[in-house]
Amino acid sequence: NAGVTQTPKFQVLKTGQSMTLQCAQDMNHEYMSWYRQDPGMGLRLIHYSVGAGITDQGEVPNGYNVSRSTTEDFPLRLLSAAPSQTSVYFCASSRRTGTRNTEAFFGQGTRLTVV
Amino acid sequence: GESVGLHLPTLSVQEGDNSIINCAYSNSASDYFIWYKQESGKGPQFIIDIRSNMDKRQGQRVTVLLNKTVKHLSLQIAATQPGDSAVYFCAENMRGGSYIPTFGRGTSLIVHP
Repeated sequence: NAGVTQTPKFQVLKTGQSMTLQCAQDMNHEYMSWYRQDPGMGLRLIHYSVGAGITDQGEVPNGYNVSRSTTEDFPLRLLSAAPSQTSVYFCASSRRTGTRNTEAFFGQGTRLTVV
Repeated sequence: GESVGLHLPTLSVQEGDNSIINCAYSNSASDYFIWYKQESGKGPQFIIDIRSNMDKRQGQRVTVLLNKTVKHLSLQIAATQPGDSAVYFCAENMRGGSYIPTFGRGTSLIVHP
């Protein structure tokens, strides 16, 4: 019963490098989202998707790209890493029931350091 | 509860006491609210939820109260245990919106044995 799986768990990047944070869920959830969490801060929404082929920007989208080609996967791409992107990243998914959704299930997080 | 600033609000309690964590939400159109618990080094986990057509909902040792008039949510934990030490977040989902939750900054609960 995997739930939401994020890889890698830890990553160190040099400024200007690119990378993709992977997120996969096996619950057939329609909704997926990416958050970043900085010390003393809550979870800030980066990008989200309400279904395969549909993505939209959240509160802090700059510097990040996403795509949703399948229901299961929602990768987050950093095109040119900057020290300000040092953070813990969480992927989440939730299910739609009629016109409502359910609670979000979170992955274990990816701790990213940009030097 | 929620506050502006760099430091996470903190609530310190003794083991066995009852804890009350407060949250002010922002959008009067929000119709679904969830409390999450985040232990150190882990992702947030669902505790309890409440729809806007309810004022109160009880779970095992936890109760959520919703006051829509003042847009306030609280989480009550009975007989707090050391294992309850964590950061607690409230999240709101807006009716007619994306149904992606918006999170508050969180409250750190510290339980002293």
